[in-house]
Amino acid sequence: GAGVSQSPSNKVTEKGKDVELRCDPISGHTALYWYRQSLGQGLEFLIYFQGNSAPDKSGLPSDRFSAERTGGSVSTLTIQRTQQEDSAVYLCASSPRGILTNTGELFFGEGSRLTVL
Amino acid sequence: AQKVTQAQTEISVVEKEDVTLDCVYETRDTTYYLFWYKQPPSGELVFLIRRNSFDEQNEISGRYSWNFQKSTSSFNFTITASQVVDSAVYFCALRDTGGFKTIFGAGTRLFVKA
Repeated sequence: GAGVSQSPSNKVTEKGKDVELRCDPISGHTALYWYRQSLGQGLEFLIYFQGNSAPDKSGLPSDRFSAERTGGSVSTLTIQRTQQEDSAVYLCASSPRGILTNTGELFFGEGSRLTVL
Repeated sequence: AQKVTQAQTEISVVEKEDVTLDCVYETRDTTYYLFWYKQPPSGELVFLIRRNSFDEQNEISGRYSWNFQKSTSSFNFTITASQVVDSAVYFCALRDTGGFKTIFGAGTRLFVKA
């Protein structure tokens, strides 16, 4: 498709389980971002990828969160041993240019809604 | 540190009213970008506008207009003659030109009633 694609769109899991959320950015976009949006809240920055590397992981809330990107394209956000406070919508965005020329517009996917029971 | 403040949590207007969404930002960077995004009920954020810090010219696009005032660190968004389809959450965001992290405000939920 032409836009950022995220899967699953909805995920319900039990506390303590691991989950993987996938993001397929717009083709050719070198920058990829993960944000978290809790109910009624703003967007919390999690991590950024430039190509396959992640220069800044400081937004990840705990060491239970990790992310990788392979082939400069698809990214996976993994949450281990999920907790109820992890319940949120996880948004992925991509951007068309590299760090020096990026004018900043982010193209968002529809998000993955995670519910931890 | 960078910060974006949207003091209005929710605004409710009647169709055809004008409405202004406030955005105040903090940054130590001398060059930066400011953005507005719209998140309709369907959930997908949509980019509306980008403004460079060195360009304080106001912009109008149809019923939308943006007022950037560097002196007050504000980047306000006005919708003229609001319509029901304008109902959404609107986010203001900030990014320095040399970096990559875009910081978002908490958002303002706009309800436009028929």
